[in-house]
Amino acid sequence: DAGVIQSPRHEVTEMGQEVTLRCKPISGHDYLFWYRQTMMRGLELLIYFNNNVPIDDSGMPEDRFSAKMPNASFSTLKIQPSEPRDSAVYFCASSPTRPGGYTFGSGTRLTVV
Amino acid sequence: AQSVSQHNHHVILSEAASLELGCNYSYGGTVNLFWYVQYPGQHLQLLLKYFSGDPLVKGIKGFEAEFIKSKFSFNLRKPSVQWSDTAEYFCAVNEGRYNQGGKLIFGQGTELSVKP
Repeated sequence: DAGVIQSPRHEVTEMGQEVTLRCKPISGHDYLFWYRQTMMRGLELLIYFNNNVPIDDSGMPEDRFSAKMPNASFSTLKIQPSEPRDSAVYFCASSPTRPGGYTFGSGTRLTVV
Repeated sequence: AQSVSQHNHHVILSEAASLELGCNYSYGGTVNLFWYVQYPGQHLQLLLKYFSGDPLVKGIKGFEAEFIKSKFSFNLRKPSVQWSDTAEYFCAVNEGRYNQGGKLIFGQGTELSVKP
């Protein structure tokens, strides 16, 4: 099993540009989560999906952020337009419904200059 | 709403010292509890988890945690730390009724530095 795969690993972009982060969950996992990690705020849950349906997006900071899960094997987190305060490491995680524990991807380090 | 509190922001120990990291949560119902570790520059990895049964849970790399329901606590322990345990440790909780598949709430993390 390749685990949760995120791309790109690093992204540097200019303020105002659109950024798209990608995630491939573990096959068979029903849940997918997007987290953001910063020194100031720690790990924040942005949004999560169950069977490709968004369940809770209350953590999405602004309308500039959007997430989609068009099928069970792919999700995107988009920031448009990006701002320097969006700089963080964005983690994707997936989980089965049965007890097991989340599996995290390696994260995308986003730097907005 | 659920919240998770980790008492120590940064802990510094010498090798072979014993470790205990505190974690308290606020939810009063059935919960599932986790400890994750994040080595420098890496992603989070599961150390151990508790769903039910024996409140003393053993995880990987010699770590264990004890669930004390009356204290809403799930403290992480290790009898003798190694330099390679230097990392950030996160306690996390989700509500049992979601059968673990629901959202996971993390504490702020505790950075552990082990001096050789």
